[in-house]
Amino acid sequence: GAVVSQHPSRVICKSGTSVKIECRSLDFQATTMFWYRQFPKQSLMLMATSNEGSKATYEQGVEKDKFLINHASLTLSTLTVTSAHPEDSSFYICSAGRSGQPQHFGDGTRLSIL
Amino acid sequence: SQQGEEDPQALSIQEGENATMNCSYKTSINNLQWYRQNSGRGLVHLILIRSNEREKHSGRLRVTLDTSKKSSSLLITASRAADTASYFCATGYNDMRFGAGTRLTVKP
Repeated sequence: GAVVSQHPSRVICKSGTSVKIECRSLDFQATTMFWYRQFPKQSLMLMATSNEGSKATYEQGVEKDKFLINHASLTLSTLTVTSAHPEDSSFYICSAGRSGQPQHFGDGTRLSIL
Repeated sequence: SQQGEEDPQALSIQEGENATMNCSYKTSINNLQWYRQNSGRGLVHLILIRSNEREKHSGRLRVTLDTSKKSSSLLITASRAADTASYFCATGYNDMRFGAGTRLTVKP
């Protein structure tokens, strides 16, 4: 089946640091990539949707200047958490999709800001 | 697409028993999907059922869809400890919204 690689799997860093998370579709071209955030024992909350070569569409309440998304190619999207603070600590998950097909998810990134 | 809501929130059973989870949604759909999430991992796509289908099987999984009631159920037969996970439903391909999920615990 389709494989989506998300890296890194875990990040621990100091407050004020910017953190970049990569999401790669390894064996298919993803026209759309999605970024989710998940708090413990809660559901996935969609943060933004990105299409290759265009600006990401952010969900209401998600700061686009805080969570920078770049979708430079059909196989790579990045999420940069800028000037991260402890409240940004969470589990971030990406997924990749193409027209008429289910999304395929990465394994998530556990972000811990000290 | 809009949010699916899973029920029950938590389910604990013994290995070998069957597990049934339900999902409700609010508007018309083209398809409905079930995903599994192991603790600390991403979601794994389990099965998709289209709006014109009433039942679908995949191994030990059986999914039903009742569009008149806007509901779906996921049955896992002969459960195993490895089935312990959270299960989510979602509709559509893009703009998927997930409910809180059902946390299934299968005791060995």
